[in-house]
Amino acid sequence: GENVEQHPSTLSVQEGDSAVIKCTYSDSASNYFPWYKQELGKRPQLIIDIRSNVGEKKDQRIAVTLNKTAKHFSLHITETQPEDSAVYFCAARAFGNEKLTFGTGTRLTIIP
Amino acid sequence: DAMVIQNPRYQVTQFGKPVTLSCSQTLNHNVMYWYQQKSSQAPKLLFHYYDKDFNNEADTPDNFQSRRPNTSFCFLDIRSPGLGDAAMYLCATSEGGANTGELFFGEGSRLTVL
Repeated sequence: GENVEQHPSTLSVQEGDSAVIKCTYSDSASNYFPWYKQELGKRPQLIIDIRSNVGEKKDQRIAVTLNKTAKHFSLHITETQPEDSAVYFCAARAFGNEKLTFGTGTRLTIIP
Repeated sequence: DAMVIQNPRYQVTQFGKPVTLSCSQTLNHNVMYWYQQKSSQAPKLLFHYYDKDFNNEADTPDNFQSRRPNTSFCFLDIRSPGLGDAAMYLCATSEGGANTGELFFGEGSRLTVL
């Protein structure tokens, strides 16, 4: 089955700087890669996703890049703000498979 | 406006006393999932339904059962909760199909076992 590794497990950045979180996946059949943000005590919420026919996707301060050959994808947050502090999970799903496999999570702390 | 609704939000039970958590959805999605999440760990899939087809994860204990009586509702039954079952239980839905995308999560049910 799919295995998703996520790094780093914790990340602290100064407000206004950029944050990058990286994930690798094992199943070459995976074609859908979402990123979820989870604030303390709340449900995971989708912030951005990318499919395997695209190499990069951007939404305001958030971008995701995908390297299918190397089987890794990354989340980039620019101009970080205190409200970006949360746990971020990457995930991967194979074509035709309903199961979404999550990475282990990154606790991002934005230092004011 | 809530699309995936879980009840109760907080459940306290005694060791060994059965518990049922419920999930309902207004999205008419084919797939419903139950995840277990412990203290900022990744959500761990317990099982999911594609319509009426039940898909159990290999490492889900027999203590956990599920029912989906119709498209809108899905239940998680914990037959004999142990201390290790204390967690947040998240229900989620997705459209299903070959090109399925986003999971829509409910607010979760936090289970405490005394």
